[in-house]
Amino acid sequence: GAGVSQTPSNKVTEKGKYVELRCDPISGHTALYWYRQSLGQGPEFLIYFQGTGAADDSGLPNDRFFAVRPEGSVSTLKIQRTERGDSAVYLCASSPSGWGNDEQFFGPGTRLTVL
Amino acid sequence: QKEVEQNSGPLSVPEGAIASLNCTYSDRVSQSFFWYRQYSGKSPELIMSIYSNGDKEDGRFTAQLNKASQYVSLLIRDSQPSDSATYLCAVNRKTSYDKVIFGPGTSLSVIP
Repeated sequence: GAGVSQTPSNKVTEKGKYVELRCDPISGHTALYWYRQSLGQGPEFLIYFQGTGAADDSGLPNDRFFAVRPEGSVSTLKIQRTERGDSAVYLCASSPSGWGNDEQFFGPGTRLTVL
Repeated sequence: QKEVEQNSGPLSVPEGAIASLNCTYSDRVSQSFFWYRQYSGKSPELIMSIYSNGDKEDGRFTAQLNKASQYVSLLIRDSQPSDSATYLCAVNRKTSYDKVIFGPGTSLSVIP
């Protein structure tokens, strides 16, 4: 079966622009996670969905960041007024239930570069 | 204090040796612990999970958990050059639905 997919794989944008990053989880997985990873760092938690609802968005750094998962499958991470500090690899992961001992399956990531 | 801490490395071991990777966590009620491996330019992949105190072995990998000391480790026996990667420790606080927090990772280099 298909794994987690993310598009685009690379995104270069200019400071101040709006970007959308898409994640398509493994079919049937109810939990979906967004992380941000900078070079030499571990994945930094951003937001976690159970089905359509954001169960925990405490990792979103500010109100420029927003994510949706309207039908409980595909998710979009939206960043407004991008800043150079937003440059990172954005990772999406899904898990079957989101239960505490679930394995997370990661997508290949979207590398965002803000010039 | 960060929620999950690891030595950043790099840790270098000769081929065939035992590599020992360590992780400490701050939340005493944490329940689930994971080791992910991440090759350069790739995404993390799960290699071990552990939930109870003691050792858990899977092939050349052994995870060790000590909840009283808030410490979890990963041993890699007979290290191979293909084990060269960054190893990420991850912790989930609950047995129910909750986010997973990752440590900064330890870079391992196995020298042929």
